[in-house]
Amino acid sequence: DAGVIQSPRHEVTEMGQEVTLRCKPISGHDYLFWYRQTMMRGLELLIYFNNNVPIDDSGMPEDRFSAKMPNASFSTLKIQPSEPRDSAVYFCASSFGSGEGAASNYGYTFGSGTRLTVV
Amino acid sequence: EDQVTQSPEALRLQEGESSSLNCSYTVSGLRGLFWYRQDPGKGPEFLFTLYSAGEEKEKERLKATLTKKESFLHITAPKPEDSATYLCAVQASPPLVFGKGTRLSVIA
Repeated sequence: DAGVIQSPRHEVTEMGQEVTLRCKPISGHDYLFWYRQTMMRGLELLIYFNNNVPIDDSGMPEDRFSAKMPNASFSTLKIQPSEPRDSAVYFCASSFGSGEGAASNYGYTFGSGTRLTVV
Repeated sequence: EDQVTQSPEALRLQEGESSSLNCSYTVSGLRGLFWYRQDPGKGPEFLFTLYSAGEEKEKERLKATLTKKESFLHITAPKPEDSATYLCAVQASPPLVFGKGTRLSVIA
């Protein structure tokens, strides 16, 4: 398996533009997580899905952020309109199970991230 | 609210100089404590899961231990290739809650 695949790797956009980040989880994984990483705040959870259904989106900072998972092999995180404070590295991760039991022996598998810069 | 605090923020070691990284946590009903390694420009990579106080796990030069309030990642005789950010995370219910990490530099 190629692991969790994220695209694009880098994105530079102007304030006010729409940004769409993409993620392909590992085949067979039933949980998908979107995290954001900054120097100041570290890794913060934005939203997670179980079997394509959003379970907890309390970490989504504002209505400008939205996420979808139309099928088991694809998820998007959209920011509209983007602002400079959204600049960060956005990670997608997947797991088989929530991390408990046997699944916790492997933890979450993270993608390489998308570095977003909003100017 | 689940909280994870890692110390130090940064650590610089000479090759072969053993040391420990600390992860203190506050969580209701710990179901697992996770250690990850993150290299620059990459996503975190899973290292260990610990479940109960007194448990230990080892991988090459790394050994993780767990008490009721904290976990330690011991690095024995580190090499330059051990340089990375080490992240600690806890799970009470999904998802994982991460600390900000310790940036480790090992100098040859």
